[in-house]
Amino acid sequence: EAEVAQSPRYKITEKSQAVAFWCDPISGHATLYWYRQILGQGPELLVQFQDESVVDDSQLPKDRFSAERLKGVDSTLKIQPAELGDSAMYLCASTLAEDTDTQYFGPGTRLTVL
Amino acid sequence: AQSVAQPEDQVNVAEGNPLTVKCTYSVSGNPYLFWYVQYPNRGLQFLLKYITGDNLVKGSYGFEAEFNKSQTSFHLKKPSALVSDSALYFCAVRASYNTDKLIFGTGTRLQVFP
Repeated sequence: EAEVAQSPRYKITEKSQAVAFWCDPISGHATLYWYRQILGQGPELLVQFQDESVVDDSQLPKDRFSAERLKGVDSTLKIQPAELGDSAMYLCASTLAEDTDTQYFGPGTRLTVL
Repeated sequence: AQSVAQPEDQVNVAEGNPLTVKCTYSVSGNPYLFWYVQYPNRGLQFLLKYITGDNLVKGSYGFEAEFNKSQTSFHLKKPSALVSDSALYFCAVRASYNTDKLIFGTGTRLQVFP
């Protein structure tokens, strides 16, 4: 069964450093989402792509976060500089264009900022 | 704004007993409601959804959910719990009718004891 791939699975960094996360959605999935899940809370959408275009980045802290999906396939989420409050699980999800109700999630990247 | 609430942080149930995980919603217009499950160190997995139609929705792994418009609830249920059902369960609602952005609840940890 096809899965959403994410790397790295774990990342420890010091504040003010730059970090990047990678996501490879299920083949053929046009829509890609990045979520942040703080411990004890539900996932919160950071950015949504339709192919290579950003559909919604209203909750993305644009002063330090950036996301791209240049060829409409895999995607990278970057944080520069990282802050202590960025410690969280970063989840990637994807959906088929014709069934956006079912989101398929990757295993996530757990970020710890020291 | 659309929102969901999960009033219980944790639910404990003995294996073989029925289980209920509660969710209430607040929406303007018709609700699009979802349940996802998260196992340790894994991403979220889709369980079921309510868009329209029958109030009782059947999903994966023997789970079902009952949509109750008068009580604005969408409780997750299973007739006979398994130890392997122990996980974190999230209720979610679509942010608006013209987007597939999801708003997640804070999650309920289900613990099934042998």
